[in-house]
Amino acid sequence: GQQVMQIPQYQHVQEGEDFTTYCNSSTTLSNIQWYKQRPGGHPVFLIQLVKSGEVKKQKRLTFQFGEAKKNSSLHITATQTTDVGTYFCAGFGNAGNMLTFGGGTRLMVKP
Amino acid sequence: DAGVIQSPRHEVTEMGQEVTLRCKPISGHDYLFWYRQTMMRGLELLIYFNNNVPIDDSGMPEDRFSAKMPNASFSTLKIQPSEPRDSAVYFCASSFGLDATYEQYFGPGTRLTVT
Repeated sequence: GQQVMQIPQYQHVQEGEDFTTYCNSSTTLSNIQWYKQRPGGHPVFLIQLVKSGEVKKQKRLTFQFGEAKKNSSLHITATQTTDVGTYFCAGFGNAGNMLTFGGGTRLMVKP
Repeated sequence: DAGVIQSPRHEVTEMGQEVTLRCKPISGHDYLFWYRQTMMRGLELLIYFNNNVPIDDSGMPEDRFSAKMPNASFSTLKIQPSEPRDSAVYFCASSFGLDATYEQYFGPGTRLTVT
């Protein structure tokens, strides 16, 4: 079945440093969604990417969808303590009808 | 809208006891999902419903787990009998649709501890 992998599992950064998490699928995706889960909270939808090579920005966050639609990345510029949490990618396969979540990347920011 | 509502928020029970988790999806959402989250296994989809009908329960770990959705505004996830390895955070989520254009809205979760 479809598998979605995320790396790294954990990332410690100093406040102000950049951060990137990568998402890779075993199959081609029709779209990919990104969610953020604050410590003790629940996943909250951030954004969706649909087109091959698509790039979207939300303030300091930049999301990319690979040309082959099998990978994606989330880049945070100049991290802040409010960015702390676990970032999940979730992909819809072309043939399937299920949203498959990656294992998440837990971001910790030192002030 | 108040969002997805789950109860209880915390549940502590002894091994062998029955546990029932409850969820009220966002009004108008046709799809309801139950997830389990643990450090070891991450976020796992257990089952999902469309218009109150269970569509895919392949993620339900074993016969001790059962889920129902008697109407569009209520769903339950039951574990009987519970075991310590069932300890996890259980999330309910809902969405308007299932295809690639729809985001899922998660509830606050129920933290279950089985001793």
